[in-house]
Amino acid sequence: DAGVIQSPRHEVTEMGQEVTLRCKPISGHNSLFWYRQTMMRGLELLIYFNNNVPIDDSGMPEDRFSAKMPNASFSTLKIQPSEPRDSAVYFCASSFSGTGGNQPQHFGDGTRLSIL
Amino acid sequence: SQKIEQNSEALNIQEGKTATLTCNYTNYSPAYLQWYRQDPGRGPVFLLLIRENEKEKRKERLKVTFDTTLKQSLFHITASQPADSATYLCARGSQAGTALIFGKGTTLSVSS
Repeated sequence: DAGVIQSPRHEVTEMGQEVTLRCKPISGHNSLFWYRQTMMRGLELLIYFNNNVPIDDSGMPEDRFSAKMPNASFSTLKIQPSEPRDSAVYFCASSFSGTGGNQPQHFGDGTRLSIL
Repeated sequence: SQKIEQNSEALNIQEGKTATLTCNYTNYSPAYLQWYRQDPGRGPVFLLLIRENEKEKRKERLKVTFDTTLKQSLFHITASQPADSATYLCARGSQAGTALIFGKGTTLSVSS
């Protein structure tokens, strides 16, 4: 079975440019998560969706970040305009929906984003 | 707030020894704790999930405990091997919904 697929794997762009990260979750999973990982802050949840509906976006840093899930098999995370402090590894994960942490999450291999 | 902390950033042990990693949580006790392994350049991979009312759970050379009195989970790897070298993350469920809150991880190095 295919796992969570993220693209691109690496992105280098200049400050001020728009960045779009893409994610295809595991078929049948109905929860999708976007995380950001840095050495300083570890793995932070940005936003998650249940059945394509955003449930909690309190982790999104500011209005420059937006996420969409137009259907069950695709999600995007967009940064516009990008800034150097956005440089990090961004992960997408999917799982069956649950409560209290009773469902394992399956992660993609991330997008390493560098903003110059 | 619902915090989860992994006390050690790094742990170095010799092959064949048991590695023990610690995860502490604050405030209310989560119903579930999860442990993940992350290799460089890869996403975290799920290893084990333990429920609040389970004191201990095992999978091959892995063992996880959940102590609600100490507000702590311990993760053990017995007969450790160099291939076990990786970063290990613990995670707690949030108070509502599907989200997880992750610790920063402990990087384990097993030398031969």
